[in-house]
Amino acid sequence: NAGVTQTPKFQVLKTGQSMTLQCAQDMNHEYMSWYRQDPGMGLRLIHYSVGAGITDQGEVPNGYNVSRSTTEDFPLRLLSAAPSQTSVYFCASSLDTHSGNTIYFGEGSWLTVV
Amino acid sequence: DAKTTQPNSMESNEEEPVHLPCNHSTISGTDYIHWYRQLPSQGPEYVIHGLTSNVNNRMASLAIAEDRKSSTLILHRATLRDAAVYYCILRPPKNSGNTPLVFGKGTRLSVIA
Repeated sequence: NAGVTQTPKFQVLKTGQSMTLQCAQDMNHEYMSWYRQDPGMGLRLIHYSVGAGITDQGEVPNGYNVSRSTTEDFPLRLLSAAPSQTSVYFCASSLDTHSGNTIYFGEGSWLTVV
Repeated sequence: DAKTTQPNSMESNEEEPVHLPCNHSTISGTDYIHWYRQLPSQGPEYVIHGLTSNVNNRMASLAIAEDRKSSTLILHRATLRDAAVYYCILRPPKNSGNTPLVFGKGTRLSVIA
């Protein structure tokens, strides 16, 4: 059971480049989400999805796109990277958003935009 | 949405108990209280959750106030490995709509040897 898998773990981008952070889970979870965490800060929600074909914005969605074509995958796209997007990105999944269901996190993707 | 308030940081000596508080004065009657922790350079991990009664597991205990407006995560004997950021969040019941899971800044726990 792999849980939540994020790739790549580390990436350096130049300003204006595009890239996709991959996130996959093998637990048949409906809920998936992306967070960013800046140094010394808490987790801020970027986008989330409550099921295949459904996505919605979180607290800090600007500069990021997502799609959810399958239950397993929830990629995060940076269309034109900016230095302000330098951060650690965490993908998370849960059976749903309710009650006692545990949230599982990936190990993180460290992104630097120069 | 009901929000939580936690102290920014706390400090504890090794092998002493630690009580991490969380205020959630606007909690609804059916919101679950969850605690997660984030070790350095890792993703957050589940610690414990509860609804009304106090809960114990191998990692910690959760004490919930009678009015449910606050809760306390208890680490019975802090170790250096418990140094982390601890997050308290509320999760709605199954019959509510799908609301996103928002984390606050959490409490950064330092453990002194």
